[in-house]
Parts: sequence; structure tokens; C-alpha cells
Amino acid sequence: EVQLVESGGGLVQPGGSLRLSCAVSGFTVSSYYMSWVRQAPGKGLEWVSVFYSDGRTYYADSVKGRFTISRDNSKNTLDLQMNSLRAEDTAVYYCAREGRTYGNGMDVWGQGTTVTVS
Amino acid sequence: IVLTQSPGTLSLSPGERATLSCRASQSVGSSYLVWYQQKSGQAPRLLIYAASSRATAIPDRFSGSGSGTDFTLTISRLEPEDFAVYYCQQYESSPSFGQGTKLEIK
Repeated sequence: EVQLVESGGGLVQPGGSLRLSCAVSGFTVSSYYMSWVRQAPGKGLEWVSVFYSDGRTYYADSVKGRFTISRDNSKNTLDLQMNSLRAEDTAVYYCAREGRTYGNGMDVWGQGTTVTVS
Repeated sequence: IVLTQSPGTLSLSPGERATLSCRASQSVGSSYLVWYQQKSGQAPRLLIYAASSRATAIPDRFSGSGSGTDFTLTISRLEPEDFAVYYCQQYESSPSFGQGTKLEIK
């Protein structure tokens, strides 16, 4: 079964750090583009970062320089290291599979993990 | 690219037709416009990719159309399970989402 399970969320003080992890099952993470998307309480979706299958990474301007996306092929996981956290980073963070062709939408999503910066 | 969805809220009854709009601040290639459905407390679900192609297992009452800066999601006959929030997203440049349209039962 294709599945994404996020973990690592929690309560952190402003300026602190947190590392999110997305455990992938049912497919090989290195064969797909993978993204992180977040949703602040009561708000819409915001794209955060993408890890291309060829290893390139990109970030939203709002997190550039503070967040780092990484992939562990041996563990089949996708991680998001979040540093210098701000109150506005408070959100549910979703891991999502972009597919083999980038731009065709995110077809598999995790259940999300909640990050609260306060 | 800023995506503006309208209306913010759409109140309709089951069986009616829903038309949701997504307008882009710059031209978006049709290959790079997608639609999602999100129900309360759930992760989004991919409905439409490449502006008009239905994702796997999406009923044919959902259809997408448009090009350039104007895109539309149409639900031909609303079922009770279709009442949710809908988002468009573009991949023409750094990915971005519209603010969403809430489809509520009238």
C-alpha cells in the first residue's frame, strides 16, 4: 500500500528547531519528486519545499535559508529540518508525492503533523 | 504567480451544478494547473491535473477546463460528499495555491 506517515511535530519556542520526517511505504522515494506543504490553522495551503528525483531542492521564499529538505534513500524517508522557527510557521505540515513527472499534482499525501511555535 | 479563486464561498444544493474559478496573475501553461479537494480534518486529494485530466478514481462529474490565466473546475451534479474546500495550484513558476473556494450545502 502506498502510504506517507509524517512525524516530528510538536510545540517549540520561537527561534527553536524541529525536524519532521515522512516515512514512505509502497514506493521508492528516490524515484519521485516529493514535497512539503503546510496549512496554518484555518488557512489555505502553502507550498514549502520540493526534493526533485535528481536531487535538486527548492524552497518557498518564506522558509528559504531556515528550512532544509533532505531524503534518505536507505530509510526511504523525506525530512524537513526547520530552524529559526517563527510564530508564522505554526501549521499542519504535509508530506506529499509529486509523481514521476513534476507538475502533475500531488497524488499521495500523508495525514500531516502539527507544528506549533509559541 | 498569484492565484485568485472565486467565489470565496459557494452555496448550492445536491444535484446542482458547481462552477469554481481560478484566475492567475500571469499565464500558466495548461500542463501546470491542478485542482484539489480538501474535507475538514483531512489531507487534500488530487482531482484534476494538467487543467483538464482527472486523477485516478475521480468521478467523471468533476471536470476542469481553461488556459492562460483563467481556469475552471466544474462539478456537474453535486453529491453530498462533494461539499468541501477546493484549491487550485500552479507549477508554472514557484508553486502556489489559490486561497480556496468553500462549497457548502444550501
